Amino acid sequence: QVTLKESGPALVKPTQTLTLTCSFSGFSLSTIGMRVSWIRQPPGKALEWLARIDWDDDKFYSPSLKTRLTISKDTSKNQVVLTMTNMDPVDTATYYCARIGMTFAMDVWGQGTTVTVSS
Amino acid sequence: DIQMTQSPSSLSASVGDRVTITCQASQDITNYLNWFQQKPGKAPKLLIYDASNLETGVPSRFSGSGSGTDFTFTITSLQPEDIATYYCQQYDNLPWTFGQGTKVEIK
Repeated sequence: QVTLKESGPALVKPTQTLTLTCSFSGFSLSTIGMRVSWIRQPPGKALEWLARIDWDDDKFYSPSLKTRLTISKDTSKNQVVLTMTNMDPVDTATYYCARIGMTFAMDVWGQGTTVTVSS
Repeated sequence: DIQMTQSPSSLSASVGDRVTITCQASQDITNYLNWFQQKPGKAPKLLIYDASNLETGVPSRFSGSGSGTDFTFTITSLQPEDIATYYCQQYDNLPWTFGQGTKVEIK
């Protein structure tokens, strides 16, 4: 069974750096074709894709956030980490990680973690 | 970025009704389109991948069709548990982009 779970601070101050961890089980990011993405959803708004990391350590970012995002993986721990610098209140959202399976679809999602940016 | 435009933004239908949602891409995305269901307070759930393929375990009343720029998502007989917001998402080009969502309610 594939599961993912996001963790990180619920509250960050403006200008701070956010670090989120996606811990997963049921698959390995060292397996060819496996990928993990981060997606966020501001309250009451649509989903926004943020970043993706592949089994071969290729990394892809949303162009609008590219300068602020870093995605990395620790295959031995089955974790993917997303950092976002210079947080702003507009970054308040629920952040999800999702596995991308062989169909290239985000087929299993974590429950999400809510991050509020406020002083 | 490829823009994904869903319509309608919301709809109200009766149990048993056929419900149709459309999604238009700003450029040709072949069939690189997925559909997700999101219930309030929950994570999105993959229903349809590659425009028309039903994800394992998803009821057959859900279906998808289309290619190029125009896509359709259908619930053949709306059930009370289908109350949710539905999103299309393209993966032809990075950045992957979602439609704005269609909220489905029971009349």
